[in-house]
Amino acid sequence: EPEVTQTPSHQVTQMGQEVILRCVPISNHLYFYWYRQILGQKVEFLVSFYNNEISEKSEIFDDQFSVERPDGSNFTLKIRSTKLEDSAMYFCASSVGGVAIQYFGAGTRLSVL
Amino acid sequence: SQQGEEDPQALSIQEGENATMNCSYKTSINNLQWYRQNSGRGLVHLILIRSNEREKHSGRLRVTLDTSKKSSSLLITASRAADTASYFCAASDDKIIFGKGTRLHILP
Repeated sequence: EPEVTQTPSHQVTQMGQEVILRCVPISNHLYFYWYRQILGQKVEFLVSFYNNEISEKSEIFDDQFSVERPDGSNFTLKIRSTKLEDSAMYFCASSVGGVAIQYFGAGTRLSVL
Repeated sequence: SQQGEEDPQALSIQEGENATMNCSYKTSINNLQWYRQNSGRGLVHLILIRSNEREKHSGRLRVTLDTSKKSSSLLITASRAADTASYFCAASDDKIIFGKGTRLHILP
């Protein structure tokens, strides 16, 4: 069964460093998303991406964040200068349509030291 | 905000019993979805109910939606140990907004 894959599963970085979290969405999906979940808290929407541009973003998704679909398969989330409070699980999701079921990856645990 | 809010926050029941979790949201939606998350793992989609549907079944899952009350319920019948997880409702319009979740613990 097709699935969304995320790498790495765990990323440890120093505060102020740049990180890139990678996702391979399901191949025929057109909509892509990033969410984060701080330990013990709810899943929060970050950004949605369609047709090679951001379609919606939350207030969390500030200038430190960017997304890119560099080729036909990968979808990346970049955090330019990480802060301690960026430590969280980051989930990528994809869907066929804008209001369709979103399929989630297993997540990348980001630890900022 | 279309935020989903689940109650109870935590629920412990004996294996074999039914578990009911409720969710409320604030604005209009296209659909409402329920997800499961095992500890430290990703989100698994369970069931989607559209705004014009009132009830939906999938295996041991039964979901209801009351758009007049802006609420939904998820019923898991004949619970099993493997059902132990957190369950989130997600109100969906142009994006998904997750609630805080219900932590369900099935006791042997």
